Amino acid sequence: GQNIDQPTEMTATEGAIVQINCTYQTSGFNGLFWYQQHAGEAPTFLSYNVLDGLEEKGRFSSFLSRSKGYSYLLLKELQMKDSASYLCAVLDSNYQLIWGAGTKLIIKP
Amino acid sequence: NAGVTQTPKFRILKIGQSMTLQCTQDMNHNYMYWYRQDPGMGLKLIYYSVGAGITDKGEVPNGYNVSRSTTEDFPLRLELAAPSQTSVYFCASSYRESSYEQYFGPGTRLTVT
Repeated sequence: GQNIDQPTEMTATEGAIVQINCTYQTSGFNGLFWYQQHAGEAPTFLSYNVLDGLEEKGRFSSFLSRSKGYSYLLLKELQMKDSASYLCAVLDSNYQLIWGAGTKLIIKP
Repeated sequence: NAGVTQTPKFRILKIGQSMTLQCTQDMNHNYMYWYRQDPGMGLKLIYYSVGAGITDKGEVPNGYNVSRSTTEDFPLRLELAAPSQTSVYFCASSYRESSYEQYFGPGTRLTVT
């Protein structure tokens, strides 16, 4: 079957760095997405990785290792507004997105 | 540019009632999707469409129907609502299916009692 695993919840301190991991087992792989979802709102796109390595975009970076079926989202200089759920999703061989359950990130002052 | 719009925002249905969730996008995207999101769960694909006149089932299509008569509109029909259909429904669109991000509407929170 297809499976995406992420931690359910993480807590971090304002100004710190946090890494949210995602492991996946899917039928085929055509890329991995990270989305941010604030409570009661729609998901919004953060990043897309299809090749191994690190993609940096401001305070957010995303890493992919296809051989290990592993990705992480790195958030630096955490701000209170970063409190949200972070969703990992894999585009499978049918070009359908398979979604993880999301990681709820709580930022404390 | 409004992006993806959905109506209604909230709805309460009685068991056995029917309703249509509306979704419209003004970005001229070919691909449109309907997802449901249950608490603590990932998004589940209900139906998707790759263009006007073409629709296909996703992971959880039972109890739902869709149509795509225009590029802009992709309504989701619930027939004979059941408590298991209580969820938040998101419509999304993308230019194509691969590396292009999906843009989401604000969601419809549906309760079936």
